[in-house]
Amino acid sequence: QVQLQESGPGLVKPSETLSLTCSVSGGSISGFYWSWIRQPPGKGLEWIGYIYYTGSTNYNPSLKSRVTISLDTSKNQYSLNLRSVTAADTAVYYCARVPYGSGFPFDYWGQGTLVTVSS
Amino acid sequence: DIVMTQSPLSRPVIPGEPASISCRSSQSLQHSNGFHYLDWYRQKPGQSPQLLIYLGSNRASGVSDRFSGSGSGTEFTLKISRVEADDVGVYYCMQALQTPGLTFGGGTRVEIK
Repeated sequence: QVQLQESGPGLVKPSETLSLTCSVSGGSISGFYWSWIRQPPGKGLEWIGYIYYTGSTNYNPSLKSRVTISLDTSKNQYSLNLRSVTAADTAVYYCARVPYGSGFPFDYWGQGTLVTVSS
Repeated sequence: DIVMTQSPLSRPVIPGEPASISCRSSQSLQHSNGFHYLDWYRQKPGQSPQLLIYLGSNRASGVSDRFSGSGSGTEFTLKISRVEADDVGVYYCMQALQTPGLTFGGGTRVEIK
């Protein structure tokens, strides 16, 4: 059974960089897209971006200037960096897997981690 | 960006009765391969979202056959044939035709009447 687990600081100061890691167990990174999605408290879902196992990336245009997603296949992990954060970036951050070849459904999700941006 | 609009915002339901949720996109979600790039998710309280339906009408692995997806072009529907108490939560549609630019609907809250 594939499992995803987010990890990282729960509190980030304004203007600093939010950094999260998603650890994948029970399956390989190869052959899949790996994505980040966030959800502000009490609100809906926002797609942040994805990285393919080959290393190619794609980002939400509204966040593209501040986002980097990277991959560490040796550790079966991938990471999110979001620069110059503000209070509007406070959200639960989810990592999720996308299988290739059936549209772009997020078939496995992590449990999510709340990141608060505050001084 | 493709804008996704769900209705209603809230759907009170009676266990055992059917229920449906609508999702409209600002442009057609039909891919050149003929499939509609529309997925449905359910988020139970305090949990991560769960994939229910992909490519408009395909049930995800392990999802009850009480759930079905239909629609074409810009109009889509998620139907629950017989609602159970465990079905409560917020349901989201998502378009996957434009990447980058995946977008979710605002969500429909299903609650027991």
